[in-house]
Amino acid sequence: DAGVTQSPTHLIKTRGQQVTLRCSPKSGHDTVSWYQQALGQGPQFIFQYYEEEERQRGNFPDRFSGHQFPNYSSELNVNALLLGDSALYLCASSLAGRGVDTDTQYFGPGTRLTVL
Amino acid sequence: KNEVEQSPQNLTAQEGEFITINCSYSVGISALHWLQQHPGGGIVSLFMLSSGKKKHGRLIATINIQEKHSSLHITASHPRDSAVYICAVRSMASGSRLTFGEGTQLTVNP
Repeated sequence: DAGVTQSPTHLIKTRGQQVTLRCSPKSGHDTVSWYQQALGQGPQFIFQYYEEEERQRGNFPDRFSGHQFPNYSSELNVNALLLGDSALYLCASSLAGRGVDTDTQYFGPGTRLTVL
Repeated sequence: KNEVEQSPQNLTAQEGEFITINCSYSVGISALHWLQQHPGGGIVSLFMLSSGKKKHGRLIATINIQEKHSSLHITASHPRDSAVYICAVRSMASGSRLTFGEGTQLTVNP
């Protein structure tokens, strides 16, 4: 049973470019959350997808968008990259609507994005 | 002020020492998570708590809902415990999204 996988593992882009990051959730999970973790800080919530729709969103600009596919995998897109977008991007999957005790989020290894 | 505060930010211990990391939060929560992050980024969930105490091996997590405080304890610490330990809460108003503390960098020296 594969856990949460993310691709690519590392990525280097220049300012103004666009990037797409990908996440496959743990088998059986239907909810995907994306987080941004700047160096030396805790992760910050970007958004969450459930049933192919954005269910919740954190304080991130519209340059950050996403998508969830019928197989529950998800993409995070960032347009017009800024130097400050350099961070580790983490994906976490969970199973919706099962209550507190079962709503554990499983994290992927992350994609490290560097913007030059 | 952050919704989730951890202390200390950095902690250095000798192998075998008992370690405590603290987490305080300011919102009503439905659950609190303790997570471990090794260099390179991968995050592993250690505990999810909504009340009381949980134990797994040398790790113990406690939570006091009334005081909005949780602690993570490591007994008989070992150099392989060296990692960043992160507290994260799921607030009652936020569905399943997590709000994270900034983490505690633990270094255990042999």
